[in-house]
Amino acid sequence: KQEVTQIPAALSVPEGENLVLNCSFTDSAIYNLQWFRQDPGKGLTSLLLIQSSQREQTSGRLNASLDKSSGRSTLYIAASQPGDSATYLCAVEDSNYQLIWGAGTKLIIKP
Amino acid sequence: DGGITQSPKYLFRKEGQNVTLSCEQNLNHDAMYWYRQDPGQGLRLIYYSQIVNDFQKGDIAEGYSVSREKKESFPLTVTSAQKNPTAFYLCASSIEGLAGGGEQFFGPGTRLTVL
Repeated sequence: KQEVTQIPAALSVPEGENLVLNCSFTDSAIYNLQWFRQDPGKGLTSLLLIQSSQREQTSGRLNASLDKSSGRSTLYIAASQPGDSATYLCAVEDSNYQLIWGAGTKLIIKP
Repeated sequence: DGGITQSPKYLFRKEGQNVTLSCEQNLNHDAMYWYRQDPGQGLRLIYYSQIVNDFQKGDIAEGYSVSREKKESFPLTVTSAQKNPTAFYLCASSIEGLAGGGEQFFGPGTRLTVL
């Protein structure tokens, strides 16, 4: 059964730092991996979607990589800002076409 | 503006009551989904619908029911059979169904609390 893990559960860094969030999954048979952002008490906003045939996707200061063979993805945030504070969730689309979710990493950027 | 709306934002339920959560989308998406989010856990799929008048159970469908009479609407009823309904409920939609591999777009959520 596919399991998705995000470590750490929480992360606090000073403004301006570059940082990496991690996502690991147990079964490499995935169709894609997605990164989402969730602000407190709000819905999810899609950040990046990486198809299984791709290695990375970029959007502005965000870069997501995918290594299917090792079951890992990273979300790189450059030059972090207080407005980046949120919970970041990753999800993989498994062989049954369902999204399997990690529990998220709560990110706090200190001014 | 195109998007997904959920109502109400907050909902309180007494034990033994059924309550219905609303989800509407004007994105012309075929597929719609209901997820449950609990603290410290990933989202879990309750029900999904790939087309009007059709829906399938997700991983945690027990104690919930849905209908899909219109493309734009996918209401979720939390029945008295759901023993631990206090959670944050998220509705989502996508252009195609689960096999389409596309993005899911999410509503703002409804927080349900059992009194």
